[in-house]
Amino acid sequence: GAGVSQSPSNKVTEKGKDVELRCDPISGHTALYWYRQSLGQGLEFLIYFQGNSAPDKSGLPSDRFSAERTGGSVSTLTIQRTQQEDSAVYLCASSLGFTSYEQYFGPGTRLTVT
Amino acid sequence: QKEVEQDPGPLSVPEGAIVSLNCTYSNSAFQYFMWYRQYSRKGPELLMYTYSSGNKEDGRFTAQVDKSSKYISLFIRDSQPSDSATYLCAMTRREYGNKLVFGAGTILRVKS
Repeated sequence: GAGVSQSPSNKVTEKGKDVELRCDPISGHTALYWYRQSLGQGLEFLIYFQGNSAPDKSGLPSDRFSAERTGGSVSTLTIQRTQQEDSAVYLCASSLGFTSYEQYFGPGTRLTVT
Repeated sequence: QKEVEQDPGPLSVPEGAIVSLNCTYSNSAFQYFMWYRQYSRKGPELLMYTYSSGNKEDGRFTAQVDKSSKYISLFIRDSQPSDSATYLCAMTRREYGNKLVFGAGTILRVKS
């Protein structure tokens, strides 16, 4: 079946602009996760959704970052007033639910802030 | 100190070799352990998932967890050039709400 999909695959933006990154989880997966992968930091957790609720936003690096999920499916990660340090690969993953620890990742969105 | 330590490599082996990849961790409460494989410019792919201590085998891959030593391993038998990738260990505990904590990843190169 179809895996996790993310769009765009690449995004180049100017410092100060807002960006939106989209994630489509595997059909039937109720839990959705956002991670960020950068050279210096490795893979870091950002936020997690169970259904449309985000019980854990502890990883969001600043208030410029926000995320929402609608209809228990698609999620959008928004970064406002982008900074160069936001350049990274943003990865989305999904799992069957809160009690499932097996997370399946999408291909990521490579964000470059110039 | 990071919660999960993993040697970044690169680890270079000849085709057919047995590969051993390892991670150590500091939080004894971790209960769930995973290994992911990541090819260049792709997302991580789940290879193995283990709960608590013990061994798990899947084809050419064997995952081992030693909770007493806080040490996990992934063994790859009969390694192939297609196994060349970055291998990431990850772990979590129930109280983390499924937040995975990752190692830095080990780059593996299998030479034909």
